[in-house]
Amino acid sequence: TQLLEQSPQFLSIQEGENLTVYCNSSSVFSSLQWYRQEPGEGPVLLVTVVTGGEVKKLKRLTFQFGDARKDSSLHITAAQPGDTGLYLCAADVIMDSNYQLIWGAGTKLIIKP
Amino acid sequence: DTAVSQTPKYLVTQMGNDKSIKCEQNLGHDTMYWYKQDSKKFLKIMFSYNNKELIINETVPNRFSPKSPDKAHLNLHINSLELGDSAVYFCASSQGWGDSYEQYFGPGTRLTVT
Repeated sequence: TQLLEQSPQFLSIQEGENLTVYCNSSSVFSSLQWYRQEPGEGPVLLVTVVTGGEVKKLKRLTFQFGDARKDSSLHITAAQPGDTGLYLCAADVIMDSNYQLIWGAGTKLIIKP
Repeated sequence: DTAVSQTPKYLVTQMGNDKSIKCEQNLGHDTMYWYKQDSKKFLKIMFSYNNKELIINETVPNRFSPKSPDKAHLNLHINSLELGDSAVYFCASSQGWGDSYEQYFGPGTRLTVT
């Protein structure tokens, strides 16, 4: 059972458009992270959100943590070809008394020039 | 300067062979991880070591054996390789283990078993 559901799985849009991708769960998390992974590379952390309702901005990227800390969204304004990549959300859970980062399956984003 | 490095980047081998992937981090982190990313890009934790001690050992065939000679290194040895082992394997590290620690990933090793 996948605890983190990301949608859409795939998104291809033109440069300059806005978009939102989602990371949803029925579980409550103490924090949630967003990563971007480019082809042939490992994931790179973009942001960590920890407070319900929190909004963080990273240039044209806006991240929001749901009030109930079960979901998160990533909004990109005026998307650029450099935003192309696989966007992954991840959250800490405790399994067998150990912290573990669980991952969504990702949203593959392509921005066409 | 490379923070988390893995070797080799690509590994093509035949079924039944034994192979190793090496990982090194120069960040001074205490915790290191091995992940497997399948063809659908789903990342799944395999192992986690904190201060050279195994703290996470997911349901992974015992053909996979991690070894941490020191805090900066976590190697992965795979015996009797199978077709289903084909994937990209990522090493990662974090300052500690617990809530909200950022994980830094290596570039991945693409393993192809033929």
